[in-house]
Amino acid sequence: EAEVAQSPRYKITEKSQAVAFWCDPISGHATLYWYRQILGQGPELLVQFQDESVVDDSQLPKDRFSAERLKGVDSTLKIQPAELGDSAMYLCASSLGGGVAGLHTQYFGPGTRLTVL
Amino acid sequence: RKEVEQDPGPFNVPEGATVAFNCTYSNSASQSFFWYRQDCRKEPKLLMSVYSSGNEDGRFTAQLNRASQYISLLIRDSKLSDSATYLCVVKVGNAGKSTFGDGTTLTVKP
Repeated sequence: EAEVAQSPRYKITEKSQAVAFWCDPISGHATLYWYRQILGQGPELLVQFQDESVVDDSQLPKDRFSAERLKGVDSTLKIQPAELGDSAMYLCASSLGGGVAGLHTQYFGPGTRLTVL
Repeated sequence: RKEVEQDPGPFNVPEGATVAFNCTYSNSASQSFFWYRQDCRKEPKLLMSVYSSGNEDGRFTAQLNRASQYISLLIRDSKLSDSATYLCVVKVGNAGKSTFGDGTTLTVKP
């Protein structure tokens, strides 16, 4: 079964350092999502891509977070500088996309657990 | 008020029990609804979509009430393996933003 790949699985960094997370969606999935999940809460959408274009980044803290999906396949999420409050699970998901409801089922990767000291 | 609200629980039930969770949403333009299951420290996985007429998948039944703006999940004959957090997801439009609830935690005990 095809899966969403993410790396690294765990990252420990000190505040003010830069961190980057990588996601490789399921092959053929046009839509890619980055979520942040704080312990005890549901995932919160940070950015959504349709192919290489950003379609929603309204909740992305753009002063320190950036995301790209240059060729419309894999994606990188960067935080610079990291702050203590950024400690969370960062989840990537993908879906086929398109105009039909059934094509929007999201499949999640295993996540990157970030700890900022 | 949050866009999607769930009772956090925890719900502690014995094996074989029937348990139901509700999820309310505030955006009347919401069109797609899902239940995801998340095991401790794992990624969310789709449990089932929720259709307007209600739908069933084995021991799981999902219902949608658009007038009152809530969805529900019923689990019959609970198994130990059903212990997890159940996340409600609401989507505005087919390609719109998905909003997750904070989840309801279920523990099924022997």
